[in-house]
Amino acid sequence: EAGVAQSPRYKIIEKRQSVAFWCNPISGHATLYWYQQILGQGPKLLIQFQNNGVVDDSQLPKDRFSAERLKGVDSTLKIQPAKLEDSAVYLCASSFLGWRGDEQYFGPGTRLTVT
Amino acid sequence: DAKTTQPPSMDCAEGRAANLPCNHSTISGNEYVYWYRQIHSQGPQYIIHGLKNNETNEMASLIITEDRKSSTLILPHATLRDTAVYYCIARQAGTALIFGKGTTLSVSS
Repeated sequence: EAGVAQSPRYKIIEKRQSVAFWCNPISGHATLYWYQQILGQGPKLLIQFQNNGVVDDSQLPKDRFSAERLKGVDSTLKIQPAKLEDSAVYLCASSFLGWRGDEQYFGPGTRLTVT
Repeated sequence: DAKTTQPPSMDCAEGRAANLPCNHSTISGNEYVYWYRQIHSQGPQYIIHGLKNNETNEMASLIITEDRKSSTLILPHATLRDTAVYYCIARQAGTALIFGKGTTLSVSS
């Protein structure tokens, strides 16, 4: 079974530029999550999708961050304009809710450096 | 904020069992206990989860106390590759993971 795919793996941009990240979840997984992990901290949720609908985006900085999930499968996360504090690893995870709960499976992440 | 408490760090000798404790005294009846680990520069990896019964899989065993206020993750024969940050998370199914600071496990030869 293929895992969660993310691209690019690394990105370096200057502040005020825009950037986009892509995620392809595990086939059949209805729930998709984007997390931000700043160096030295645990991942923090940015947004959760159930199929193509948003379940939780309460911690997404909506003035600069946006996300969409096309046709309930792939997802993109965009930052425009980027700030220095957006330097972090952006992790995508997906899950399938079964009778024993659900396990989230994470992709390798995209490491963003804003200079 | 995370609803669990873990020691910041632990050491283990290679080949020995690693027992990682977690306190979740305010856990709700419909919350599972999940364990994840994160090896340096990788995404978090699911290990195991349980509701109230002890669980075992190919990676680890999870022991949950009868009152569900604490649990222990057991890696039966730790290897150098098990060096990682281990996160214990209490959550309802279908919700996001809330990561605390976790326990940094160092396995040495």
